[in-house]
Amino acid sequence: AQSVTQLDSHVSVSEGTPVLLRCNYSSSYSPSLFWYVQHPNKGLQLLLKYTSAATLVKGINGFEAEFKKSETSFHLTKPSAHMSDAAEYFCVVSRKDSNYQLIWGAGTKLIIKP
Amino acid sequence: DAGITQSPRHKVTETGTPVTLRCHQTENHRYMYWYRQDPGHGLRLIHYSYGVKDTDKGEVSDGYSVSRSKTEDFLLTLESATSSQTSVYFCAASGLAGEKLFFGSGTQLSVL
Repeated sequence: AQSVTQLDSHVSVSEGTPVLLRCNYSSSYSPSLFWYVQHPNKGLQLLLKYTSAATLVKGINGFEAEFKKSETSFHLTKPSAHMSDAAEYFCVVSRKDSNYQLIWGAGTKLIIKP
Repeated sequence: DAGITQSPRHKVTETGTPVTLRCHQTENHRYMYWYRQDPGHGLRLIHYSYGVKDTDKGEVSDGYSVSRSKTEDFLLTLESATSSQTSVYFCAASGLAGEKLFFGSGTQLSVL
């Protein structure tokens, strides 16, 4: 069965410093993995997606994530945080054993300090 | 997101009353989903549809029903609303299963 764990409920960084949001997954199959972002009082938007083509995936707004099979991780990073990055971020795994339903992590709230 | 419209955006209702939320898409996506979002739980799938009149249950389907009579419309009904159904509800759509989801702006439902 597939599942996903976001290791931090909140992450606080200063503007201009690196961002690391951690995600671990479990999957019986070669997974598809996603990161979505939700800005305050808004809907959700896809940041990036991994589908086995390349282990380092680049997304929108300078974010990227690296798939590490040996560590079952898919951490999201950005070299330099911007105030506009303040949002909630969700790691998601696709359930290939159940019509590709998506399993969502509980979310990590990213706080940017000026 | 562009092409996905939810209505109403906000609703307050009383316990025991029926409630219907509507999702309308203009992009002809095959798959449509209803999620609820609660603090500490991320998004949880209520029901989804893989075509007109083809629907299936998600992980939190008790107390909810759905209908899809046209490609563009996906309705979520709470037959008899309970306070535990107070939540933010999101509709989403995708062209392929397990692929990028396009989301509506959400419906804040309060059951008093």
